[in-house]
Amino acid sequence: GEDVEQSLFLSVREGDSSVINCTYTDSSSTYLYWYKQEPGAGLQLLTYIFSNMDMKQDQRLTVLLNKKDKHLSLRIADTQTGDSAIYFCALGSWGKLQFGAGTQVVVTP
Amino acid sequence: GAVVSQHPSRVICKSGTSVKIECRSLDFQATTMFWYRQFPKQSLMLMATSNEGSKATYEQGVEKDKFLINHASLTLSTLTVTSAHPEDSSFYICSARDSSGGALRETQYFGPGTRLLVL
Repeated sequence: GEDVEQSLFLSVREGDSSVINCTYTDSSSTYLYWYKQEPGAGLQLLTYIFSNMDMKQDQRLTVLLNKKDKHLSLRIADTQTGDSAIYFCALGSWGKLQFGAGTQVVVTP
Repeated sequence: GAVVSQHPSRVICKSGTSVKIECRSLDFQATTMFWYRQFPKQSLMLMATSNEGSKATYEQGVEKDKFLINHASLTLSTLTVTSAHPEDSSFYICSARDSSGGALRETQYFGPGTRLLVL
């Protein structure tokens, strides 16, 4: 299987919370990232977490890291239509990143 | 925040020609830049690591003679797709690593991407 796996699609109603999941096999990465990509655009860094942390909160975003299960998640509170995009988790050290395939999040009114 | 630009944003070329894509870090110095390739509805695949003043490091399966990388300054890396063919059509994205904060604050910023179509 792939080294970094994500579910491909998530539909969520406006105002609800979104949870995007990511599992990985390589536990040696120093940093774990979440990026957002809007249609035809590059990647925007949303947040990142050090591998020695369990949780990081940044406004509407909450990142949870379960190192034992090699599971990373991104929770978006009060999801808005502007949150519709593809979300990539990525793992890396010294800048060299390995990406998941991306989760397309569609926010419906 | 830090900004990385790419030029051109999209390019159409004939098969057999060469195309140069520029990646610039606009407000920080980047000793290391990365080049990725993204196919439709797929993830980014790292092609090579570009180090200022030295040769690029290519990932397995990436032809270094086909994808020429030059990192001549701390703010500019170029990717040249030589003798382009239709299968080279893709979305090319660069990123630049801002190491100014030290290793613990390493952050990577992505350019907006260049869409290449080879006819």
